[in-house]
Amino acid sequence: DTAVSQTPKYLVTQMGNDKSIKCEQNLGHDTMYWYKQDSKKFLKIMFSYNNKELIINETVPNRFSPKSPDKAHLNLHINSLELGDSAVYFCASSEGTGTNTEAFFGQGTRLTVV
Amino acid sequence: GENVEQHPSTLSVQEGDSAVIKCTYSDSASNYFPWYKQELGKRPQLIIDIRSNVGEKKDQRIAVTLNKTAKHFSLHITETQPEDSAVYFCAASVTGYQKVTFGTGTKLQVIP
Repeated sequence: DTAVSQTPKYLVTQMGNDKSIKCEQNLGHDTMYWYKQDSKKFLKIMFSYNNKELIINETVPNRFSPKSPDKAHLNLHINSLELGDSAVYFCASSEGTGTNTEAFFGQGTRLTVV
Repeated sequence: GENVEQHPSTLSVQEGDSAVIKCTYSDSASNYFPWYKQELGKRPQLIIDIRSNVGEKKDQRIAVTLNKTAKHFSLHITETQPEDSAVYFCAASVTGYQKVTFGTGTKLQVIP
């Protein structure tokens, strides 16, 4: 009965490939996020969606394309993977606009580009 | 945009001692300050938060303080235990703006 679940947990792929990470939340939240955590543990926001609409894009290369088919899902597609994309990617969700509440994180996807 | 600085980056304490982690933020409009704990190989999880209308909040061995004038906030852990060992992140955000800016993290090690 996981609140925020993302798949896969591990992803090893070669440079130049295209890959997707899926995220789903069953909390009824309106807002979902993608964060990137690098080897130094820095947690940096990439995207934020509210009710399927993109509201934050933090100067992420356009090789990264989020897609939200509905407010419970936010998937991340990455084209032409590069070595520097290796990191742990966390999906998260929180309640909607106008509130500041806890962000619930998924378990993370460890992406390794070789 | 918001910039959150966090110190120290690593902290070692003896079991039973106190640990203090400090953060500063740049955007005076920020009014929500959560703290997350991330154990090795796991997801970040909220441990405590504070809003700008409050100067201090406690939850058992954990307390947070906020100085809005100085744009400082701190996490205090008393009577530390080995299970407190983790990376701790402070964060700041503004009501109505769906962006939480995280600090750079503090790796806390509690030595038994």
